[in-house]
Amino acid sequence: AQSVSQHNHHVILSEAASLELGCNYSYGGTVNLFWYVQYPGQHLQLLLKYFSGDPLVKGIKGFEAEFIKSKFSFNLRKPSVQWSDTAEYFCAVNARETGGFKTIFGAGTRLFVKA
Amino acid sequence: SAVISQKPSRDICQRGTSLTIQCQVDSQVTMMFWYRQQPGQSLTLIATANQGSEATYESGFVIDKFPISRPNLTFSTLTVSNMSPEDSSIYLCSVDRASGNNEQFFGPGTRLTVL
Repeated sequence: AQSVSQHNHHVILSEAASLELGCNYSYGGTVNLFWYVQYPGQHLQLLLKYFSGDPLVKGIKGFEAEFIKSKFSFNLRKPSVQWSDTAEYFCAVNARETGGFKTIFGAGTRLFVKA
Repeated sequence: SAVISQKPSRDICQRGTSLTIQCQVDSQVTMMFWYRQQPGQSLTLIATANQGSEATYESGFVIDKFPISRPNLTFSTLTVSNMSPEDSSIYLCSVDRASGNNEQFFGPGTRLTVL
């Protein structure tokens, strides 16, 4: 069965600092990879996704993520965070299992950006 | 994207009772998913509901506790039966638009508190 691990549960940064959130997954086959964000009091929203092609994907609000197949990783980055990036970030992996495709989520990382 | 609504948005229930949560999507979708997000934790997949067939439950979740209906391609219900305080959680409906990339869209969630 697939699993997803996020390295940091809580991250505190000052504005303009660079961000990198780690995500590793375990699954031997083809995967689709996602980062979702949940701003305080709001729905989960898709930040970016990887299906195939260029392993460096760009999402909304200046976020990007790099898929490194050999490391089973899909780390999220942003060069300069803003106070409005305060949210919880979830890495997710979608892959085929018995019964069809399933999406499994990591535990989430709470990011707090100090103004 | 898909527009998903859930009812109720929140509820406070007594131990031993049951609550049915409704999920409505603005367009026909093949797959609908029910997740649980317990306080401070990530999303856990409860079951996958496909129209016209029995829901598929994940390990640790059973139909007697979480019966699901999927009468058509735009609607599903999840019932939380014989509730206990451990069932206090946010319950999220999600859909896959079957666009070939398995991107999921989430409803606003139902915040359930069991006393």
